[in-house]
Amino acid sequence: QKEVEQNSGPLSVPEGAIASLNCTYSDRGSQSFFWYRQYSGKSPELIMSIYSNGDKEDGRFTAQLNKASQYVSLLIRDSQPSDSATYLCAVNNRGSQGNLIFGKGTKLSVKP
Amino acid sequence: DVKVTQSSRYLVKRTGEKVFLECVQDMDHENMFWYRQDPGLGLRLIYFSYDVKMKEKGDIPEGYSVSREKKERFSLILESASTNQTSMYLCASSLLITSSGNTIYFGEGSWLTVV
Repeated sequence: QKEVEQNSGPLSVPEGAIASLNCTYSDRGSQSFFWYRQYSGKSPELIMSIYSNGDKEDGRFTAQLNKASQYVSLLIRDSQPSDSATYLCAVNNRGSQGNLIFGKGTKLSVKP
Repeated sequence: DVKVTQSSRYLVKRTGEKVFLECVQDMDHENMFWYRQDPGLGLRLIYFSYDVKMKEKGDIPEGYSVSREKKERFSLILESASTNQTSMYLCASSLLITSSGNTIYFGEGSWLTVV
């Protein structure tokens, strides 16, 4: 059974701090990795995708991938109260065309 | 922008009723998906389709069926609704991909309550 694991949280950080969200996956051959943000009562929206080892930056967000350790993370710099949401990690499901495997999400709370 | 539209946002149905949830995407995506999301259980895939009239079972297909008669439209059918099908249902779409994966885009969700 392929799995994506995330700490459910809640992760609480003060405004302006760096929030670090972590994710591990079981399928060593996975090639595509995604972070989605989901506000309460809303649907998930894509924040970032990453395909190669290393860091990928987009504004205040940085995705980090380490395939050897089967680990992907999302850093949010200068956290804002508007970043308070649940963050879902997703990994491509090899052998199942078009499908992603989602973690259950980490709830982030940014305190003013 | 990718637009995935779920026509019914909030529904209340009685046990035993047949329920249709409709989804339309406007980006000519080959793949379409139906998920349900429940507290503590995360997103669970019900069915997906990679072409017109094609469907594949996901993790929890029991009690559901789907229909894809046109590329842009993917319907989820609850043949006989039960209270344990009360949930938020999410439709999604993506381009046809290889095993390396591709971005999935979600609709706004349909909140179904079965009483």
